[in-house]
Amino acid sequence: DTEVTQTPKHLVMGMTNKKSLKCEQHMGHRAMYWYKQKAKKPPELMFVYSYEKLSINESVPSRFSPECPNSSLLNLHLHALQPEDSALYLCASSHALAGDNEQFFGPGTRLTVL
Amino acid sequence: GESVGLHLPTLSVQEGDNSIINCAYSNSASDYFIWYKQESGKGPQFIIDIRSNMDKRQGQRVTVLLNKTVKHLSLQIAATQPGDSAVYFCAEIPSGGYNKLIFGAGTRLAVHP
Repeated sequence: DTEVTQTPKHLVMGMTNKKSLKCEQHMGHRAMYWYKQKAKKPPELMFVYSYEKLSINESVPSRFSPECPNSSLLNLHLHALQPEDSALYLCASSHALAGDNEQFFGPGTRLTVL
Repeated sequence: GESVGLHLPTLSVQEGDNSIINCAYSNSASDYFIWYKQESGKGPQFIIDIRSNMDKRQGQRVTVLLNKTVKHLSLQIAATQPGDSAVYFCAEIPSGGYNKLIFGAGTRLAVHP
């Protein structure tokens, strides 16, 4: 299995809702990432986990809460989002956190905040 | 590199022609560079990478050139095919950078029959 899966594919939520995005990989990778991609823009790093511990938080607002319950799963919990948070949320994984490990991306979850 | 503007730069080519996509990177301390292809509705897909101690690397139908003097990266695609139509991003990883990808603005490649 050489893919990263993400659920759901699409999500529409109100500003008062609580929802979660899920990401899963079974490649034995120990580093996992969340990126945010606005339309016609490049992906921007949000969080990095290494061995289930948060290694990097790119000053992301607290309404985004990541969680890595085990080495195969990565969640992004969403609460009290704003319409400008609407974007494609991409998950990626790599063998390790060293700088030359290829990152494999999932297809993303397209989030719309009303 | 930071993305600017509302529209992606677009490169239009005829099927069978060679394509050259350019990228200016921002950090002279970056020591690893990657080209990604992103098709509509999909996540970025690795194409080819190059380390800062090299100036050229070839793959199947693709070549990456690195000019560290002017901080410029290019992707050459030979005999471009309709399936090559996508948005292409260069990405850099600064040394000691925890595999922290910094993406360039992206270029849309449109291949016409």
